[in-house]
Amino acid sequence: NAGVTQTPKFRVLKTGQSMTLLCAQDMNHEYMYWYRQDPGMGLRLIHYSVGEGTTAKGEVPDGYNVSRLKKQNFLLGLESAAPSQTSVYFCASKDGGNTNYGYTFGSGTRLTVV
Amino acid sequence: AQSVTQLGSHVSVSEGALVLLRCNYSSSVPPYLFWYVQYPNQGLQLLLKYTSAATLVKGINGFEAEFKKSETSFHLTKPSAHMSDAAEYFCAVNAGGGNKLTFGTGTQLKVEL
Repeated sequence: NAGVTQTPKFRVLKTGQSMTLLCAQDMNHEYMYWYRQDPGMGLRLIHYSVGEGTTAKGEVPDGYNVSRLKKQNFLLGLESAAPSQTSVYFCASKDGGNTNYGYTFGSGTRLTVV
Repeated sequence: AQSVTQLGSHVSVSEGALVLLRCNYSSSVPPYLFWYVQYPNQGLQLLLKYTSAATLVKGINGFEAEFKKSETSFHLTKPSAHMSDAAEYFCAVNAGGGNKLTFGTGTQLKVEL
């Protein structure tokens, strides 16, 4: 049981380049999330999805787009990367709307924009 | 609106000493509260959660936390620190049955011999 898998694990981009981060979960979870982690700022929610075909903005959505075409996958796109997007990105998933359920996190993608 | 404040971005304890990591929450409705641990270069792992049942919650690795409504706190404790406890710890809140967790800024725990 792999849980939540993120690819790639590391990436270096030049300013203005685009890329897509992939998150895949094999737990049949309804809810999926993208967070970014920056020193001293904890985790901040970028976008999330409450089901296949649905997405919503989080706390810091600017500069990112997402898609949830399949229930098990949640893609995070950067159309034109900026140095301010240098961060560690975490994907998480949750089973349904019950707040009792904790999140399952992936191991992260470390992105550097130069 | 919901938020959590973690007091102390870095905490250092001796091996065998008490661990106390502080978390205060702000919420207009009864909250659900969580503690997560992050080991170096890994994702976050759930330590424990408060979901309006018992106010004293026991988690993995000997950690526990007590929900105190009067103090709006959910501090994490462990009676005796071990070297393997060195990690970053995050408090998080979900209030009002919403779909989103709001995280604190984290506390880095260092355990010294």
